[in-house]
Formats: sequence, C-alpha cells, structure tokens
Amino acid sequence: DVQMTQSPSSLSASVGDRVTITCQASQDISKYLNWYQQKPGKAPKLLIYDASSLEKGVPSRFSGSGSGTEFTFTIRSLQPEDIATYYCQQYDSLYSFGQGTKLEIK
Amino acid sequence: QVQLQESGPGLVKPSETLSLTCAVSGYAISSGYYWGWLRQPPGKGLEWIGSIDYSGNNYYNPSLKSRVTISVDTSKNQFSLKLSSVTAADTAIYYCARHVITMVRGVINNWFDPWGQGTLITVSS
Repeated sequence: DVQMTQSPSSLSASVGDRVTITCQASQDISKYLNWYQQKPGKAPKLLIYDASSLEKGVPSRFSGSGSGTEFTFTIRSLQPEDIATYYCQQYDSLYSFGQGTKLEIK
Repeated sequence: QVQLQESGPGLVKPSETLSLTCAVSGYAISSGYYWGWLRQPPGKGLEWIGSIDYSGNNYYNPSLKSRVTISVDTSKNQFSLKLSSVTAADTAIYYCARHVITMVRGVINNWFDPWGQGTLITVSS
C-alpha cells in the first residue's frame, strides 16, 4: 500500500498570504498525484492532476509541484473562498489519499 | 454537464448489506470512463472503494474486496454498490464519482471528478 502523509494537518492564514501544503508518499509515485479541494458539507473537487497540471476552470493562484515522493500544493494569494480541506491522492498503485489539510482564515 | 446522485437507505443494521445506487445524468455511461465509489467516515479522510466501466470490468480496494460488489446498468444509466456484513466502521458518507483514466501524449491521467453530493450511511441497530 502507498501511504500518503500530508502536512500540516491544519493551517491558519490571512487573506493574501501564500499557503503551502506538502504531501509525502511512502514510495516513488513519479508524478501520479492529484489535489482536491473539499469545502464544508460538499464533495471533493479536482484542482490539480498529474502533480502540476491545473484543471480547467480552476483559478491560477492554485499550483502544484513535485515528483517521486515529495509534492507541494500552493495557493499564491489566499482568498476567503479558499477555506476548505485539501487532499492529495496518488494513483501509482491503486488509489489512496492523504489525511487532509484543513485551511482556515486567521 | 455530468451530474451524479447517490441514493440509499441511510440506516443499515450491523451484519446486513449496504446497497447504494448512483444515477448519472448529462453523460451516457456506455460512452466510456470508469465510475467509482468512495467513502469518508465522519470527520475523517477519503477511501477509494472500487471502480467499474460500462462493460462491467471492475476492480476493488483490496481491504474491502471480500465484501464489495459494484455493478453497472447502462439501460438505466446508473451503477451500484453493495457492501456486505457491515459494522459500525462502515459508517461514512458514500460518494460516487466519474473515474477518468486516460493517456494523453504519453501522460497517464487518472482522477475522480465530478463527484455526487454524497449520502450518509449509518450502521446501527
């Protein structure tokens, strides 16, 4: 099984801040990683696929990078509507998710 | 625009079988893609349960495989989940989602999107 570890588990930031979340895989997964946003009471939504490709319609302030076992998700300038929990998900060996990072506004 | 909607009983007794259906609109399942089930225990993270394509090719999470059956009905444009011998640990929000698996210019794309709104299933006597 591929274990995905996200950090931090929660994060408080101010509007306009640059926010970074990391995701570590327990083995090399190449670039087989997606990022999802889940707003309270809603289903997850795909933001980033293939580690760094932005899904259509997703604002350009969101970005992803990394390969192998270390990945980063960044929000360039935090907006109030970005309050959500963010999950990484690998698809190198079946499918598994990180435990999530809950983002709050300071 | 593809939309998915889960339906199910809400409450299931321990040791019984959980049955859910996902109705798809805006896209014919027989046209392609895989279709998946995932779940999220209250306040916890996401777990993939399994996926199926229009012809019935399926694959499951090994940790659940012995209890899971996913089937597809292209005439009704829906797919279904059965999870047997449920316990309290199976209490979760269950989501269905389109499971996109493609290769574009040598790059493998594999993601779940869009998702249904989810349905809470509680296992309790």
